[in-house]
Amino acid sequence: EDKVVQSPLSLVVHEGDTVTLNCSYEVTNFRSLLWYKQEKKAPTFLFMLTSSGIEKKSGRLSSILDKKELFSILNITATQTGDSAIYLCAVDRETSYDKVIFGPGTSLSVIP
Amino acid sequence: KAGVTQTPRYLIKTRGQQVTLSCSPISGHRSVSWYQQTPGQGLQFLFEYFSETQRNKGNFPGRFSGRQFSNSRSEMNVSTLELGDSALYLCASSLGLVGYEQYFGPGTRLTVT
Repeated sequence: EDKVVQSPLSLVVHEGDTVTLNCSYEVTNFRSLLWYKQEKKAPTFLFMLTSSGIEKKSGRLSSILDKKELFSILNITATQTGDSAIYLCAVDRETSYDKVIFGPGTSLSVIP
Repeated sequence: KAGVTQTPRYLIKTRGQQVTLSCSPISGHRSVSWYQQTPGQGLQFLFEYFSETQRNKGNFPGRFSGRQFSNSRSEMNVSTLELGDSALYLCASSLGLVGYEQYFGPGTRLTVT
């Protein structure tokens, strides 16, 4: 059965800490891996990863994919209270059925 | 540039009824996807429409259906509502089908009593 697993499921850190969120997957017909940040309601897009070993960066956030070991990490450096959110990992598949599979999310709380 | 809009934002229905949700994508976006989010199952893909055709489908029963109009606006319909259909329904739009960033709307919160 295709699945996406995230760890940890919940995390509490202090402002200024660096965090690493993990996403592993077992899916057929892998096309890309996606990271989203969800605050309150609508998820917002962070990264799309298709190739192994190429780090994508956006400010204090960065992410990398390992297609051999089937995982990705999302790093957040110098965390701020505004980083508090649920971080979702999803795999987009090259298939017309069950095209996108999401992980359960990691709930990150950053305390002052 | 206006974002993705969804209507209504909140809805309360009774078991057995049907419901129609609406999504207006970002101007110029031709792909619209629908997702269901519940505390128990998380975020699950329902279906994706492109150029008025359903291109991809998730693992949901036939009670869940949708359509897309020529202006890319999309509707989702759920018939014979069940208590388990209570969820946040999210719509996302993108320029195309593959390799494009998706932008999510605020969602419709459906409560079935």
